[in-house]
Amino acid sequence: QVQLQESGPGLVKPSDTLSLTCAVSGYSISSSNYWGWIRQPPGEGLQWIGYIYYSGTTYYNPSLQSRVTMSVDTSKNQFSLRLNSVTAVDTAVYYCARTIGSHGAFDIWGQGTMVTVSS
Amino acid sequence: DIQMTQSPSTLSASVGDSVTITCRASQSISTWLAWYQQKAGKAPKLLIYKASSLESGVPSRFSGSGSGTEFTLTISGLQPDDFATYYCQQYDGYSGTFGQGTKVEIK
Repeated sequence: QVQLQESGPGLVKPSDTLSLTCAVSGYSISSSNYWGWIRQPPGEGLQWIGYIYYSGTTYYNPSLQSRVTMSVDTSKNQFSLRLNSVTAVDTAVYYCARTIGSHGAFDIWGQGTMVTVSS
Repeated sequence: DIQMTQSPSTLSASVGDSVTITCRASQSISTWLAWYQQKAGKAPKLLIYKASSLESGVPSRFSGSGSGTEFTLTISGLQPDDFATYYCQQYDGYSGTFGQGTKVEIK
């Protein structure tokens, strides 16, 4: 059974860097899928952050591109998100997810982790 | 950027009703469209991908259609478990914009 689990600090100070990791179990991260991050501010809709392939190829949301970095660690079967220079508007539940096939729809999601940006 | 516009924002319906949610893309996305269901405090659940393909395990009362810029999700015979928020997502060209969501509530 494929499972994804996000981890990282729940509180980040303004102007600092938000760092999250998604551990994948029951499935190889080196398979033909992309791995993505999505966020949801409290009471709002979903925002696509980006995708990464096991080779390191990345695609980012243009509105976040200047602040986002995704990476993958195939030896640990996990991938990561870094978002720098955070402000209160980055407060959200952050989800990691797997795409169907080489890119596209997300078929398996983590449970999500709440990150609050506050001093 | 491709923008996705969902309508309506809220939909009131009764158990047994058939309902339709519409999603419009700002440019053609072929059939690169997915639909998700989200309940409060939970991660979204994939219902439909490639506009009309039903995800494994999803009841057949859910169906999707459309291509190009206009898409619909239909729930035929609402069940109590279907009251939730629904999102469309385009995934053309390695991007992934979501619609703003449609809340299906009990009339």
